[in-house]
This record gives sequence, structure tokens and C-alpha cells, in this order.
Amino acid sequence: RKEVEQDPGPFNVPEGATVAFNCTYSNSASQSFFWYRQDCRKEPKLLMSVYSSGNEDGRFTAQLNRASQYISLLIRDSKLSDSATYLCVVIYGSGNTGKLIFGQGTTLQVKP
Amino acid sequence: NAGVTQTPKFRILKIGQSMTLQCAQDMNHNYMYWYRQDPGMGLKLIYYSVGAGITDKGEVPNGYNVSRSTTEDFPLRLELAAPSQTSVYFCASRMGTGGATFGSGTRLTVV
Repeated sequence: RKEVEQDPGPFNVPEGATVAFNCTYSNSASQSFFWYRQDCRKEPKLLMSVYSSGNEDGRFTAQLNRASQYISLLIRDSKLSDSATYLCVVIYGSGNTGKLIFGQGTTLQVKP
Repeated sequence: NAGVTQTPKFRILKIGQSMTLQCAQDMNHNYMYWYRQDPGMGLKLIYYSVGAGITDKGEVPNGYNVSRSTTEDFPLRLELAAPSQTSVYFCASRMGTGGATFGSGTRLTVV
């Protein structure tokens, strides 16, 4: 089983749609979680951290379910500029191990 | 404040040659990472470091070596380059439990 798993998609949605991505992780001791965005041939950029209570940043909402070991990202009112690959990231293990593991990414294509 | 700087941006190597990919950060981050990303694929962790003098293997360390003599620098060494090492290499750094900042990458082709 992969340490961090995502549905690669692609997700093709019209502008204005709401889309959700899920990600599962295998190590129950994982401490920190993030969503990154990666545009074609560019470096990944931090989109948002994911907190246990859930958090929102504008049109983006992230949720963490520790019992089921998954995190989610919800994008409301999709824009053309949201087209990118979204990467789920987990800091692996407990304490200060520091290992940062990426899922394979989910591709989103927003169409006019 | 430059963030994470990677050099070179592009490189073509012949099979069997060696090279060092440079990575430097000026944010005083303790954690540093090297990833590779093959076309259409996710990021695979090669090596990482939790501080100066400490390094550890990631998912795909074979064919690579690293060192961390200072907080700022984390070079990645390729010995005896092979076509399978053709990829985009990203360096990243972070502090504490925060997210990582990435360099702009090195595009390496081995022919």
C-alpha cells in the first residue's frame, strides 16, 4: 500500500462547479498535513495546511479525518485558473522524523 | 530573501558522468529535501536532512548521495549517471511543522 494515495483523475469540471479531492495516508502517527498546487513544469507551491478542526481559505476548504486517515480539499466556484495538479502531503511519523511524503497528485481541468 | 535556490536549472549528462546538484536556502530552515519527478508522475523522496550533519534515505536513494555540512546547503551528488536518472529534481526546505518551500527545479537529461 502506498504511504499517501490520491485519485489521479483527471477531474474535468465546468467553471463555477464545486469539486472535492480525497487523499488517504497509511501511518496513523502522521502529524501534519498539507495541500499543494503544482502547475505544469513548475515547482509545487503550498496551498494550505490542514488542521484537525478543518480550515477554510476563500473558496478552498480542507478537512482532516484522523479516524479514517484521510484528508480532503473542497474547491467552490471553480475558476479556469484553478486548473492544476493538487498534491496531498503528509509529514510522516511522530515526533521530529521530518519525512515529507507526497501523493501522486490529482489533476483538475476547469473548462469554460 | 531568495528562499530556496537550485543550480543549475538545466543539464545534459552523458551516461557514466557524475555531477552535483546544488541547493541552498537562506531561511534558516532545519529540514531539507531532495525529490525527483518523472514526467506525469508524482514526487519521489530521494534523501532528506533534519539538520546539519544528519541525513537519511527516502524512497529512491539508489544512485545518489547527499551531505549536509551547513544549515544552508544540501547538495545532491549523482555518480555514474544512467538514463533512468533523467528527471526533474526539486529541493525543498521547511521549519518545525510548517509546509515546505521549493526551489524551481533542475531539469536533468542523461543521454
